[in-house]
Amino acid sequence: DTAVSQTPKYLVTQMGNDKSIKCEQNLGHDTMYWYKQDSKKFLKIMFSYNNKELIINETVPNRFSPKSPDKAHLNLHINSLELGDSAVYFCASSYVPSHGYTFGSGTRLTVV
Amino acid sequence: DQQVKQNSPSLSVQEGRISILNCDYTNSMFDYFLWYKKYPAEGPTFLISISSIKDKNEDGRFTVFLNKSAKHLSLHIVPSQPGDSAVYFCAASEGDKIIFGKGTRLHILP
Repeated sequence: DTAVSQTPKYLVTQMGNDKSIKCEQNLGHDTMYWYKQDSKKFLKIMFSYNNKELIINETVPNRFSPKSPDKAHLNLHINSLELGDSAVYFCASSYVPSHGYTFGSGTRLTVV
Repeated sequence: DQQVKQNSPSLSVQEGRISILNCDYTNSMFDYFLWYKKYPAEGPTFLISISSIKDKNEDGRFTVFLNKSAKHLSLHIVPSQPGDSAVYFCAASEGDKIIFGKGTRLHILP
């Protein structure tokens, strides 16, 4: 019974396409996040939502738009995909960040 | 501008010995420090954390030490086991945000 689940696990798409990654958590956490792990292996925060409200929005191109229909879901939509968007995207959730996040298993996005 | 730095990309340790993973940070406003473990094709898993007001936290084989004056923390794993082979991320929290280091790959040798 997966705590934080992301779909799809792998996504290969052409430049210029629009794609979405879905995330769901069944832990009852109030806060959800999107992180990007690039080719240099840095894990960088992109967005954070607390109870459907956007609380962190790092310097991310506006082609990336998060959507949280309820506190258990945080989806990531990406418009006009570029080669540089290729990365692994991790969804996570937490009660309190200092007590640790629970991460999903990641979505490997490859833009060709 | 890396606020959390793990300067060793990899570390090899004999099974049964102590593994010591190091981390440095620059922001004195961090209130919690965390360690995560990651296996290939999986998300990072929370291991242990420490408040900035403490200097040591222990959980089984894992101990985290914090030296605030040096802005340095370390994770000790004793004794090291084969299943400990993974990438370890040091992280620090400031409010709602957690900032991660680049990770250190730990190899436990038989």
